[in-house]
Amino acid sequence: GENVEQHPSTLSVQEGDSAVIKCTYSDSASNYFPWYKQELGKRPQLIIDIRSNVGEKKDQRIAVTLNKTAKHFSLHITETQPEDSAVYFCASTTGSARQLTFGSGTQLTVLP
Amino acid sequence: NAGVTQTPKFQVLKTGQSMTLQCAQDMNHNSMYWYRQDPGMGLRLIYYSASEGTTDKGEVPNGYNVSRLNKREFSLRLESAAPSQTSVYFCASTFADGDQPQHFGDGTRLSIL
Repeated sequence: GENVEQHPSTLSVQEGDSAVIKCTYSDSASNYFPWYKQELGKRPQLIIDIRSNVGEKKDQRIAVTLNKTAKHFSLHITETQPEDSAVYFCASTTGSARQLTFGSGTQLTVLP
Repeated sequence: NAGVTQTPKFQVLKTGQSMTLQCAQDMNHNSMYWYRQDPGMGLRLIYYSASEGTTDKGEVPNGYNVSRLNKREFSLRLESAAPSQTSVYFCASTFADGDQPQHFGDGTRLSIL
């Protein structure tokens, strides 16, 4: 089955700096890659997603890039703010929700 | 609209006790899922229901049973709880299994002593 590796497991940045989280996947048939943000004690919430037919997607301060050849995708957060502090999960699937495989998470801390 | 509602939010059980976690969605979704989340790990699928009347095993089904009571409700049962089942449990739903993204409930924090 699919294997998703996520790095780093923890990341601390100064407010205003950028943060980058990287994930690699194993199944070349994977075609949907969501990113979830989970605040302490809360539900995972989708913040951005990308499909395999595009290489980059942006939404204000958040962007995701996908390299299908290398089988990796990354989350970029610019101008970080303290409220960006949370655990971020990447995931991938070949199409069905039941096949969604999650990475192990990155604890992002934005220092004021 | 409440989205996906899970009850209870917290529960402490003793080893060997049984318990049912409830999940309901009001988005007219066909597919529903149960996940567990353990420290330092991503979510892992326990069981799913692609549509009303069907259920299937996910990655980690041992020790659990599920019931798709109707289109809205999908329950998860622990027949004889074990400490290894201490976890946070999330229910999720989508309009169809090939649909994305999933909508998650707030989770149930379950501790088994």
